[in-house]
Amino acid sequence: LAKTTQPISMDSYEGQEVNITCSHNNIATNDYITWYQQFPSQGPRFIIQGYKTKVTNEVASLFIPADRKSSTLSLPRVSLSDTAVYYCLVGGIYGQNFVFGPGTRLSVLP
Amino acid sequence: SQTIHQWPATLVQPVGSPLSLECTVEGTSNPNLYWYRQAAGRGLQLLFYSVGIGQISSEVPQNLSASRPQDRQFILSSKKLLLSDSGFYLCAWSAGNPKIYEQYFGPGTRLTVT
Repeated sequence: LAKTTQPISMDSYEGQEVNITCSHNNIATNDYITWYQQFPSQGPRFIIQGYKTKVTNEVASLFIPADRKSSTLSLPRVSLSDTAVYYCLVGGIYGQNFVFGPGTRLSVLP
Repeated sequence: SQTIHQWPATLVQPVGSPLSLECTVEGTSNPNLYWYRQAAGRGLQLLFYSVGIGQISSEVPQNLSASRPQDRQFILSSKKLLLSDSGFYLCAWSAGNPKIYEQYFGPGTRLTVT
């Protein structure tokens, strides 16, 4: 069971790029890395997933080094609406062993 | 497009009473289905997952059970609720490979056991 470690909280300002790093030293060969965003009283929303190198979509980029022991979620030009909790997960083939830790509480300030 | 429904949205139940939460998914077939619980101010805990009708795997021993009577229906139950069962219950689905890790969550049920 891969365990992840993220900063508990981060502050940023509107328009800045935010990078949230997650450590997963015990990641298994078949594990993917997935990031979710959660607003209060809502279910998490899938942001991005990757296995290695770099993945980019319309919302974010995910950087994964060759050893896969960490990953970095990059949010370009954040806005106030990006204030949320961001979770990094690594998990098994059916999503089992998905452990949502405390996540990173991102606060975007005006 | 796919849609996931959960009900009820909120529920207040006394200790010792039974529980039944229902989740249905539309617009996809043979989804993987999941039940999570989130205690106040904490991360989500995976309770059950299912890869097909009648196939349930439990991640955490607890006072709860799950069933999947139909392909797109997932039910969370308890015979006797405990105070510690209070929380925010979320149902989620994912497709098969390669999108197994891309889960879509329902609106959730906030359960308060009194």
